[in-house]
Amino acid sequence: GAVVSQHPSWVICKSGTSVKIECRSLDFQATTMFWYRQFPKKSLMLMATSNEGSKATYEQGVEKDKFLINHASLTLSTLTVTSAHPEDSSFYICSARRPWREVRDEQFFGPGTRLTVL
Amino acid sequence: GIQVEQSPPDLILQEGANSTLRCNFSDSVNNLQWFHQNPWGQLINLFYIPSGTKQNGRLSATTVATERYSLLYISSSQTTDSGVYFCAVGLRNYGQNFVFGPGTRLSVLP
Repeated sequence: GAVVSQHPSWVICKSGTSVKIECRSLDFQATTMFWYRQFPKKSLMLMATSNEGSKATYEQGVEKDKFLINHASLTLSTLTVTSAHPEDSSFYICSARRPWREVRDEQFFGPGTRLTVL
Repeated sequence: GIQVEQSPPDLILQEGANSTLRCNFSDSVNNLQWFHQNPWGQLINLFYIPSGTKQNGRLSATTVATERYSLLYISSSQTTDSGVYFCAVGLRNYGQNFVFGPGTRLSVLP
């Protein structure tokens, strides 16, 4: 169990367009999902925390109007990169938190989405 | 916030060798996970280990929470073990947000 999917796995778009990335927990309900960004040969940086039914919490320095997050159900969170520019090109990874009896909080990660903005 | 360090940053091994990867963190945590990121970018859960010792096949991990470090042991390494190993820590008071270490890049040569 604990499978998280992301779609698309890669996307190429023109500068100025918007791109939506979906993150789904396939076999468990996730009240909390997380969005990370990873640059080549670097570690993962948390962008925002997505809570079902409420507004996302963004990390310092992350533009909430640029990276729109929606967590409409217990199994789906979406990240929309609005008016994308080449500097937004990156590897975006989502994770879903699966709580276990409120004691163990384990995160499971999606396969990532590679975004290239031309 | 919590600081996470990993060592060594890079490691090259011959197939069959053993290795130990270390993760140090600056504050008490109640969540620690080890991941392997394969060449395609997928993060694979290895261990959920906020304390104690666990083993899974050729891999084992130990976290000494009071001394704020965790170790990942890889025995009889295989070429498929290549990739980047991350530890990530979380603290409930910080909303369980993960802080990732910089990773250890492992290359296992045939």
